[in-house]
Amino acid sequence: SAVISQKPSRDICQRGTSLTIQCQVDSQVTMMFWYRQQPGQSLTLIATANQGSEATYESGFVIDKFPISRPNLTFSTLTVSNMSPEDSSIYLCSVNAGFSLNEQFFGPGTRLTVL
Amino acid sequence: QKEVEQNSGPLSVPEGAIASLNCTYSDRGSQSFFWYRQYSGKSPELIMFIYSNGDKEDGRFTAQLNKASQYVSLLIRDSQPSDSATYLCAVNILGGGGGNKLTFGTGTQLKVEL
Repeated sequence: SAVISQKPSRDICQRGTSLTIQCQVDSQVTMMFWYRQQPGQSLTLIATANQGSEATYESGFVIDKFPISRPNLTFSTLTVSNMSPEDSSIYLCSVNAGFSLNEQFFGPGTRLTVL
Repeated sequence: QKEVEQNSGPLSVPEGAIASLNCTYSDRGSQSFFWYRQYSGKSPELIMFIYSNGDKEDGRFTAQLNKASQYVSLLIRDSQPSDSATYLCAVNILGGGGGNKLTFGTGTQLKVEL
């Protein structure tokens, strides 16, 4: 499996501001994903971060609210823009790795609280 | 109908017993199936994956897949208190632009009691 780190691990932000979350992998990976896990809920895919092209967003998520960058095969960022308390959640990046490159591994997550 | 369904629990089992966790999915095009363990305050950890019908064993864990009935299960033998966590079932639908996206169930909380 890949070793994945995220920064920051947690943050408390004011309404209306933006936060950029970084995801770093210790090896080159083709697929990187961003998920959200709201309190007491399961994981919801926000988007697939594509290297060299725009991210692919899931229904209900838009680029203006969650801009994503993927400058290379080991790094991605997710920005949560114009935050509201409803954005309070854990944000997780994940990558495909493993023997068949089909298994997905998660970073430690970023716990975001919006006041 | 939810795409991936799990009983939220909590499922309580005594230490040393077999814990049985079940998951059903709605899309017959699903190809790959994963079980993640998530401790409170931590990120999900992949513990098992299965791609073919039948059983797959890894230590105390056995994953079972029945594509005809559209269910996948996880058995934990000799349950330990350290197994107490939420277990998430995830399904991957290949093709149709799905790529390697995973759809998660809501998770089953397992409690192993002394």
